[in-house]
Amino acid sequence: QKEVEQDPGPLSVPEGAIVSLNCTYSNSAFQYFMWYRQYSRKGPELLMYTYSSGNKEDGRFTAQVDKSSKYISLFIRDSQPSDSATYLCAMSAKNTNAGKSTFGDGTTLTVKP
Amino acid sequence: NAGVTQTPKFQVLKTGQSMTLQCAQDMNHEYMSWYRQDPGMGLRLIHYSVGAGITDQGEVPNGYNVSRSTTEDFPLRLLSAAPSQTSVYFCASSYLGGAGAFFGQGTRLTVV
Repeated sequence: QKEVEQDPGPLSVPEGAIVSLNCTYSNSAFQYFMWYRQYSRKGPELLMYTYSSGNKEDGRFTAQVDKSSKYISLFIRDSQPSDSATYLCAMSAKNTNAGKSTFGDGTTLTVKP
Repeated sequence: NAGVTQTPKFQVLKTGQSMTLQCAQDMNHEYMSWYRQDPGMGLRLIHYSVGAGITDQGEVPNGYNVSRSTTEDFPLRLLSAAPSQTSVYFCASSYLGGAGAFFGQGTRLTVV
């Protein structure tokens, strides 16, 4: 079983919809939780970062971490065609480094105009 | 500010050939790493480095070598390319203990 499982998708939504992207994990040592956005044929780009449990909001994006359930989510409000990309969750343990993260397999999102 | 720069962007190798993928960062990050990404799969860690002169293996190190002689550069060497090494390779850098990594644009490698 993988340490990080990500809803596989693909996901297709109309413009303006609320999108929910989700990951579960099994390693209770994970303390840092990240979401990356990857456009086609580009490198991943850090979107959101959360330490431990709780919510973090940045514009239209909200990251949630529930450590008791080992479940993290990324919500996108008022989705736009420019949000069409693959979203990768990533996690790392305390005293390790963000570059040594464990990644989910990614969820591909298409937002239709 | 260029961030993380990878060269080349594309490469085709014959089985058994060797080559070096270059990675350079200008953010003075201590930590650098190499990942490979295969279709439908996330990123898998190949090798990483916590500073000049210090490297260690990740999840899938076989067939690859690394060295870190400077803070800025972290080349990945394929000693004898195999078709199973056909993939997209990403280099990343971050501060030690930092939150989130910066990735390069990737090198698309095909081994025939």
